[in-house]
Amino acid sequence: GAVVSQHPSWVICKSGTSVKIECRSLDFQATTMFWYRQFPKQSLMLMATSNEGSKATYEQGVEKDKFLINHASLTLSTLTVTSAHPEDSSFYICSATDPGGVGYTFGSGTRLTVV
Amino acid sequence: ILNVEQSPQSLHVQEGDSTNFTCSFPSSNFYALHWYRWETAKSPEALFVMTLNGDEKKKGRISATLNTKEGYSYLYIKGSQPEDSATYLCAFMVGSGYSTLTFGKGTMLLVSP
Repeated sequence: GAVVSQHPSWVICKSGTSVKIECRSLDFQATTMFWYRQFPKQSLMLMATSNEGSKATYEQGVEKDKFLINHASLTLSTLTVTSAHPEDSSFYICSATDPGGVGYTFGSGTRLTVV
Repeated sequence: ILNVEQSPQSLHVQEGDSTNFTCSFPSSNFYALHWYRWETAKSPEALFVMTLNGDEKKKGRISATLNTKEGYSYLYIKGSQPEDSATYLCAFMVGSGYSTLTFGKGTMLLVSP
């Protein structure tokens, strides 16, 4: 089936630095990629929807200048957390529509800790 | 704000037990209901996408039912095995296939040998 490879799986960074998370669709073209965030004991919350070649659509309350999304190719979408602060520490995960299967295909997620 | 509720929050059963979980969602403007299985350190895996009231889907020992009029879906696991241990997520989609998913918090299942 379709696979989305997400890296890194975990990252620790200092407050004020930026972190980039990558999601690659390995065997299909992901026209649309969704980025979610999950805080402890909470549900996956959609942050933004990115479409290849166009600007991402951000959900209400998500700062687009802080969470930069780039979807420059059909197989790669990136999320950059700029000037990260401890409150950005969370679990981030991407997903894409599985063209040949059921539902959406997810990456394995990235645990971000900002110290 | 759409609210998707899952119960129970967690469940611990013995190998061979059958179990079921509930997902409740708004009954208006329904488009689809997704179920995912999410094992620790892995990617969520799609189990079912259900769209029609009365739908019943099956994959091996796992099955799901859907009631869109009252806004709930049940997921059943027959004869639970330790490898069924995972968090089971449901997600609700309104309106059309172009809208986004709203997830519940999940039910964490632990199956002991």
